[in-house]
Amino acid sequence: GQNIDQPTEMTATEGAIVQINCTYQTSGFNGLFWYQQHAGEAPTFLSYNVLDGLEEKGRFSSFLSRSKGYSYLLLKELQMKDSASYLCAVKDSNYQLIWGAGTKLIIKP
Amino acid sequence: GAVVSQHPSWVICKSGTSVKIECRSLDFQATTMFWYRQFPKQSLMLMATSNEGSKATYEQGVEKDKFLINHASLTLSTLTVTSAHPEDSSFYICSANNRLAGDVGELFFGEGSRLTVL
Repeated sequence: GQNIDQPTEMTATEGAIVQINCTYQTSGFNGLFWYQQHAGEAPTFLSYNVLDGLEEKGRFSSFLSRSKGYSYLLLKELQMKDSASYLCAVKDSNYQLIWGAGTKLIIKP
Repeated sequence: GAVVSQHPSWVICKSGTSVKIECRSLDFQATTMFWYRQFPKQSLMLMATSNEGSKATYEQGVEKDKFLINHASLTLSTLTVTSAHPEDSSFYICSANNRLAGDVGELFFGEGSRLTVL
């Protein structure tokens, strides 16, 4: 079966750096997405990786290793507004999105 | 980015009634829209893929007759929850790709509709 694993919850301090990991086992791979979802709201797109390596976008960076079935989202200079759930999603060989359960990130002052 | 609008944001209804949720792509044409359901503290569950001008494709376990999807135009898809029951209470979210603008195929989500069935 297809599976995406993320930690359920993480806690970090304002101003610090946090890394949210995602491992996947899917039938084929056509890209990996990270979305941010604040409580009670719809997800918003953060990043996309299809080739190995690091993609940097401001305070957020996303890394992919296809051989390891692994990705991480790195958040720097954490702000209180970064408190949210972070969803990892993979497009399989049929271009269907497979979603992880999400990681709830709690930022403390 | 592309804008997807969903209405209503909140709806409370009595058991046995039907509820219609609208999803509109405001600044692009969406030949395909996706309907998701999300229970508290759980991930997104794809219910169906809505195709303009044809029947929706439902995921396994989703009742076609209960969750009616209509995609009558390139900018509007509707989800009707028929004869709603308390177990249908959930957060329903629509999404679409803007293929003309994005080359990575990211999804743009509507605001979501929180349904509470009494």
